[in-house]
Amino acid sequence: EVQLVESGGGLVKPGGSLRLSCTASGFSFSNYNMNWVRQVPGKGLEWVSFIRSSGSDMYYADSVKGRFTISRDNAKNSLYLQMNSLRAEDTAVYYCAREYCGSNTCYEVFDNWGQGTLVTVSS
Amino acid sequence: DVQMTQSPSSVSASVGDRVTITCRASLGITNWLAWYQQKPGKAPKLLIYSASSLQSGVPSRFSGSGSGTDFTLTISSLQPEDFATYYCQQANSFPYTFGQGTKLEIK
Repeated sequence: EVQLVESGGGLVKPGGSLRLSCTASGFSFSNYNMNWVRQVPGKGLEWVSFIRSSGSDMYYADSVKGRFTISRDNAKNSLYLQMNSLRAEDTAVYYCAREYCGSNTCYEVFDNWGQGTLVTVSS
Repeated sequence: DVQMTQSPSSVSASVGDRVTITCRASLGITNWLAWYQQKPGKAPKLLIYSASSLQSGVPSRFSGSGSGTDFTLTISSLQPEDFATYYCQQANSFPYTFGQGTKLEIK
């Protein structure tokens, strides 16, 4: 069974930093592209960042570019999101999400999600 | 960036009804579109990818159609477990973007 478990959320002051982790199991993590998606409670979904399976390519939403860094450790089956210079508007539930791949191609959509970890940025 | 606009924002329907939700992209995205279902307190669930391909395990009452800029999600006969919020997502280019969501409520 595919499992994605996020951790590292919590309360942080504006300007502070936080590192989120996502531990994967039940599939060959090193073969899959991974993403972070966030959701302000009661609001819609916002894609945050992407990292290729090899770690060679990363993409970011404009709202977090220059402040957040996505990374992965395939030996540890783990995905990370380093969040610096946090703002009140970064308050959200953060999900890690696996890209869906069929037998021959990947579709840049998300077929497995973690349960989410809440990040609250407040003084 | 590709903007995704869903309509309606909310809809009330009864068990057994047929419901259609639409999603419009600000630029052509061929068929790079997905639909998700989200229930309160839960992560989203992938229903449809490539605009019309049903994800494994998703009931056949869900279907998707469209290409280019206009897409639809149809639920042919609503079941009690279908009352949730639905999102479209374009997968054509970074940054990936979602529609604002459509809340499907019980009438």
